[in-house]
Amino acid sequence: QVQLVQSGAEVKKPGASVKVSCKTSRYTFTSYAIHWVRQAPGQSLEWMGWINGGNGNSKSSEKFQGRVTFTGDTSANTAYMELRSLRPEDTAVYYCAAYSWGGGALDFWGQGTMVTVYS
Amino acid sequence: DIQMTQSPSTLSASVGDRVTITCRASQSISNWLAWYQQKPGNAPNLLIYQASSLERGVPSRFSGSGSGTEFSLTISGLQPDDFATYYCQQYDIYPWTFGQGTKVDIK
Repeated sequence: QVQLVQSGAEVKKPGASVKVSCKTSRYTFTSYAIHWVRQAPGQSLEWMGWINGGNGNSKSSEKFQGRVTFTGDTSANTAYMELRSLRPEDTAVYYCAAYSWGGGALDFWGQGTMVTVYS
Repeated sequence: DIQMTQSPSTLSASVGDRVTITCRASQSISNWLAWYQQKPGNAPNLLIYQASSLERGVPSRFSGSGSGTEFSLTISGLQPDDFATYYCQQYDIYPWTFGQGTKVDIK
């Protein structure tokens, strides 16, 4: 069973940065792409981008380019999403999810990390 | 970006009903379409991928169909555990995009 365990809730001021972690197994980290999806309160889901833990390749949505960075630590089997220059509208639950290169879609999801931005 | 439009936004139904949710893409996405179920306070859960393939462990009362721009999710025999919000998602072209969601509630 694939498990993705995310870091805890964060409260940030506008202009600050937040870094959310997503810990998984070595097999998952190197065999799946780790995607990041966010959900503002009462809203639908919004795709942010992904990272390939095996080789470090990543891609982000143009909406977030310049503000978001995806990184991975192979020694800890952990993926990270850092979002900078936070605004109140970045308040959302941030999810990591695993996408199998061999088929499927976003097969497995982390429990979510609530990020609140307010002054 | 590809726009994904679901209908209806809300659906009221009873246990045992057959319900269908539709999803329309603003351009062809072949069969790169997934369906997720989400309950309040929980992460989404994959039900269907590649438009019609049932994810392992998902009950067979869930089925998906369609290709190109028109897709549907059908629940044959609604169960109490199925009252939730459902999202479609295209993963053909970046950025991947989701529909606005369909809430299935109790009539």
